[in-house]
Amino acid sequence: DIVMTQSPDSLAVSLGERATINCKSSQSVLSSSDSWNYLAWFQQKLGQPPKLLIHGASTRESGVPDRFSGSGSGTDFTLTIDTLQTEDVAVYYCQQYYSAPLTFGGGTKVEIK
Amino acid sequence: EVLLVESGGGLVQPGGSLRLSCAASGFTFSNYWMNWVRQAPGKGLEWVANIKKDGSAKNYVDSVKGRFTISRDNAKNSLYLQMSILRVEDTAVYYCAGGLGYVMDHWGQGTLVTVSS
Repeated sequence: DIVMTQSPDSLAVSLGERATINCKSSQSVLSSSDSWNYLAWFQQKLGQPPKLLIHGASTRESGVPDRFSGSGSGTDFTLTIDTLQTEDVAVYYCQQYYSAPLTFGGGTKVEIK
Repeated sequence: EVLLVESGGGLVQPGGSLRLSCAASGFTFSNYWMNWVRQAPGKGLEWVANIKKDGSAKNYVDSVKGRFTISRDNAKNSLYLQMSILRVEDTAVYYCAGGLGYVMDHWGQGTLVTVSS
């Protein structure tokens, strides 16, 4: 099974500042056949289901603000939230969909400082 | 509008059984891989199982293999999870989620399963 490790567990960022969340997979999730990283990022606000933000490590979903960006390849990935807004307070999860069992990172809680 | 609505959750004793359902609308259900993902109270997300568009392939997390069965009825736009030999540690909100591939881009609101004596 591919183990997904996120860091930090939580972070507090001032409004308008940048938040950076890291995600590391125990095996590469980069496909050699299509050069696609099978890595997604989800946002979960309190009391709500998760919402897909990014897939393919860096492809933003329709309607997701461009202050959210994903980067990385292979085993190391980053979600960056530029100019943090109050509505960005949530728990963020990375997830690999390279192979079953699909696995999530432990989550990173983002709060306002 | 894409809509996924789970039902069937509730309180069940350890060793008991429960069947969850997920009704889909607003998209072509038969084109989507479908998943069950659970979240224990105050904990993170755990993928449970998925099923291919035509039902010909299924995958499970090890902890539920032999106890849970995922199925779908494309004619009824519905996804199911038959859960048996339930354990206290199966207590969670269960979400159905789907996507054109393995990516889960649509999620329901979830249904709570509580396993307790």
